Amino acid sequence: DIVMTQTPLSSPVTLGQPASISCRSSQSLVHTDGNTYLSWLHQRPGQPPRLLIYKISNRFSGVPDRFSGSGAGTDFTLKITRVEAEDVGIYYCMQTTQSSITFGQGTRLEIK
Amino acid sequence: QVQLQESGPGLVKPSETLSLTCNVSGASISNRNYYWAWIRQSPGKGPEWIASIHYNWGTYYAPTLKSRVTMSIDTSQNQFSLRLTSVAAADTALYYCASIPDHHYAMDVWGQGTTVTVSS
Repeated sequence: DIVMTQTPLSSPVTLGQPASISCRSSQSLVHTDGNTYLSWLHQRPGQPPRLLIYKISNRFSGVPDRFSGSGAGTDFTLKITRVEAEDVGIYYCMQTTQSSITFGQGTRLEIK
Repeated sequence: QVQLQESGPGLVKPSETLSLTCNVSGASISNRNYYWAWIRQSPGKGPEWIASIHYNWGTYYAPTLKSRVTMSIDTSQNQFSLRLTSVAAADTALYYCASIPDHHYAMDVWGQGTTVTVSS
């Protein structure tokens, strides 16, 4: 299985300031079809995870443009330009390049 | 728009078999553009993928659960199911179903989840 490692595990951020979360995979996420199936999800307490970003950098429908994804190969980043109160929760990266799907361990975003 | 709703027994005794169902609306379960998935989340932990299925391309299971899991599709009910045998306390979790469209292979729609507790 591909192991997904996120850093940091916890990120205290001031409202209006940027935030960044890293995700590293134990092997390349480039699929044989040329795509990289790395996505980011956000989970608020008591709710299911919600898709934010797919294929590294594509925002899902309805996701604010303060969220952006980047990276390639084995190293990926989720950035929030200006954190808002509704952004608190846990962020997960997930790979679906291999049929055995794996998630990162999660990064908790909290407001200072 | 795809909507998913899980259903299950809530409480299962150790060593018994857990059966869960995910009802799909807004899309046909046999739509070749979709995979369907089960994911679980133990209290305080991150999501753990259990299994995925495609109407045409087959079924995929997490290696750690493969010996105990069966996922299937019921086209007459437009739903998919999960069976997990020989459950133990470690299987206590919130179980989610999700859709995975093949144009981005990300879990874009999730159900609200159904809680499963394994206890005698």
